[in-house]
Amino acid sequence: ETGVTQTPRHLVMGMTNKKSLKCEQHLGHNAMYWYKQSAKKPLELMFVYNFKEQTENNSVPSRFSPECPNSSHLFLHLHTLQPEDSALYLCASSYTGDFSNQPQHFGDGTRLSIL
Amino acid sequence: ILNVEQSPQSLHVQEGDSTNFTCSFPSSNFYALHWYRWETAKSPEALFVMTLNGDEKKKGRISATLNTKEGYSYLYIKGSQPEDSATYLCAFHNTDKLIFGTGTRLQVFP
Repeated sequence: ETGVTQTPRHLVMGMTNKKSLKCEQHLGHNAMYWYKQSAKKPLELMFVYNFKEQTENNSVPSRFSPECPNSSHLFLHLHTLQPEDSALYLCASSYTGDFSNQPQHFGDGTRLSIL
Repeated sequence: ILNVEQSPQSLHVQEGDSTNFTCSFPSSNFYALHWYRWETAKSPEALFVMTLNGDEKKKGRISATLNTKEGYSYLYIKGSQPEDSATYLCAFHNTDKLIFGTGTRLQVFP
């Protein structure tokens, strides 16, 4: 396996459900990210983990809870979501958390629909 | 609020045509400018990370220039091919954030 892998690819859940998105990278990177893409809007950075420490929380509601147990794995725990949370959630990684000279390597995303 | 603007929003060209599009960003607190190609049903793929005013980078038929003083970057595709059809995203690195534009959607017709 290579690259950044996200599971599941698609998820439909009710507003009262609890689910988790998973991201795994096999690139030896030390930084991992969650992004949200809503329809007709730009990619929006949600969370940054650098060497397993959260270094950025871009004013994300507490119903989204990230977890980074090690540099290769990143989770996004979801609970009590709202219909406006329906979006494509992308995971990315880079060698370090420095955007200045490190491109982002993205997964294919999880398409989330909230009923 | 920091805005990254891309134009045009969409572009249709014939195979063999050369094309270019623009990314505009704030000229203050510049750290880096990223370009990505995002094909439908795939993941965004990094093209360039540019940091210096006057930078020019090239990857095959695709090249990019950077003007940090006036806050813009151009992406050029020479001799477009149908496989170049994708959304091209730019992202501006300002202090600790990476801010994306909404992209230019390119369709190349055979």
